[in-house]
Amino acid sequence: NAGVTQTPKFQVLKTGQSMTLQCAQDMNHEYMSWYRQDPGMGLRLIHYSVGAGITDQGEVPNGYNVSRSTTEDFPLRLLSAAPSQTSVYFCASSPMGAPEAFFGQGTRLTVV
Amino acid sequence: GEDVEQSLFLSVREGDSSVINCTYTDSSSTYLYWYKQEPGAGLQLLTYIFSNMDMKQDQRLTVLLNKKDKHLSLRIADTQTGDSAIYFCAENAGGTSYGKLTFGQGTILTVHP
Repeated sequence: NAGVTQTPKFQVLKTGQSMTLQCAQDMNHEYMSWYRQDPGMGLRLIHYSVGAGITDQGEVPNGYNVSRSTTEDFPLRLLSAAPSQTSVYFCASSPMGAPEAFFGQGTRLTVV
Repeated sequence: GEDVEQSLFLSVREGDSSVINCTYTDSSSTYLYWYKQEPGAGLQLLTYIFSNMDMKQDQRLTVLLNKKDKHLSLRIADTQTGDSAIYFCAENAGGTSYGKLTFGQGTILTVHP
């Protein structure tokens, strides 16, 4: 039972590079979310999806793109990485009509 | 917008009870959560409480909710060194907002032998 799987676990990027953080869940959950965690600030919502083909912005969406072509996958794209995007990124999924949210193990991203 | 506040640090002795406090501002909060994060790990859901409840108990964990004061607490009985972690309070408005959580800054719990 894999749950929510994030890849890669660690990544170092140079300023201006692009990359995609992968998130997959095998629980057939409708809702998926991306958060970033910075020291002393808790987790902040970046983007959100209520189902395939539907996405919405969270609190801190600038610099990030998402799409949801399948129920299982919700990739997060950084088009031009900046040092301010150095953070730990968490993906989460939730079933429709239920309050629990399940988190992946995180991706630690450093932009130099 | 919504805001969730927690104290940053708590230090207790092994065997004592720990109480972690949280305040929130969103009166439409439907569910309130406690998550645990161990070093280098993801977030583990400990428990959650529906806004029309005032208490929930689950083994060593007791959650108290004072909706009038918008205050949530997590009590850990007989705290062990394995309970050392960061504890996050979070809330959401329910409905199509499931999964859109607003988190506090986290409380670092240190348990001394």
